Amino acid sequence: GAVVSQHPSWVICKSGTSVKIECRSLDFQATTMFWYRQFPKQSLMLMATSNEGSKATYEQGVEKDKFLINHASLTLSTLTVTSAHPEDSSFYICSVLGASGSPSGSQYFGPGTRLLVL
Amino acid sequence: GENVEQHPSTLSVQEGDSAVIKCTYSDSASNYFPWYKQELGKGPQLIIDIRSNVGEKKDQRIAVTLNKTAKHFSLHITETQPEDSAVYFCAASLTGGGNKLTFGTGTQLKVEL
Repeated sequence: GAVVSQHPSWVICKSGTSVKIECRSLDFQATTMFWYRQFPKQSLMLMATSNEGSKATYEQGVEKDKFLINHASLTLSTLTVTSAHPEDSSFYICSVLGASGSPSGSQYFGPGTRLLVL
Repeated sequence: GENVEQHPSTLSVQEGDSAVIKCTYSDSASNYFPWYKQELGKGPQLIIDIRSNVGEKKDQRIAVTLNKTAKHFSLHITETQPEDSAVYFCAASLTGGGNKLTFGTGTQLKVEL
């Protein structure tokens, strides 16, 4: 599988500020990454698909102007939560599609970023 | 779109017993079914997966079965250990069709001593 890191692991910010979360594929060049959001005791909800060198594809109901995704290289995708509000507080997790030696379709997840907006 | 249902939501077993978690999916086109284990405060970890051309797959104490006709698949954990305690998620996707995973609602497994 792929080794995926996220930074920061947790962040606390004031309402109205922007927060950037990084997702790195450490041992695999990832053409496609995904961003998920998970509220306490709930399942993972896909926010968007991030493709290297092109615009992200957002799921229905996810505001693309609020959740900015940039996938500028094969090892890095970033999610910026703009003008964050308390309702944006959640656990944000990225995943990498596929890995060397793994069959296509497998997704490998990062450790997640806990965001708390005050 | 795809819809995945998962049961039970909580499962408590004695150490050494077996645990079974079941999922059903709605889209007959789905062809890839992974299972993830998520420990508290961590990201999901892929533990086993199965593709639609296979009916069963086993990896040590973990096995997954797939019934394409009935559109359901199950996770079987034998000889459970306390470290198996976690939330388990099933998922379904169509490889090559965006590869987007649709997750089940999760099962909180507790293995008691």
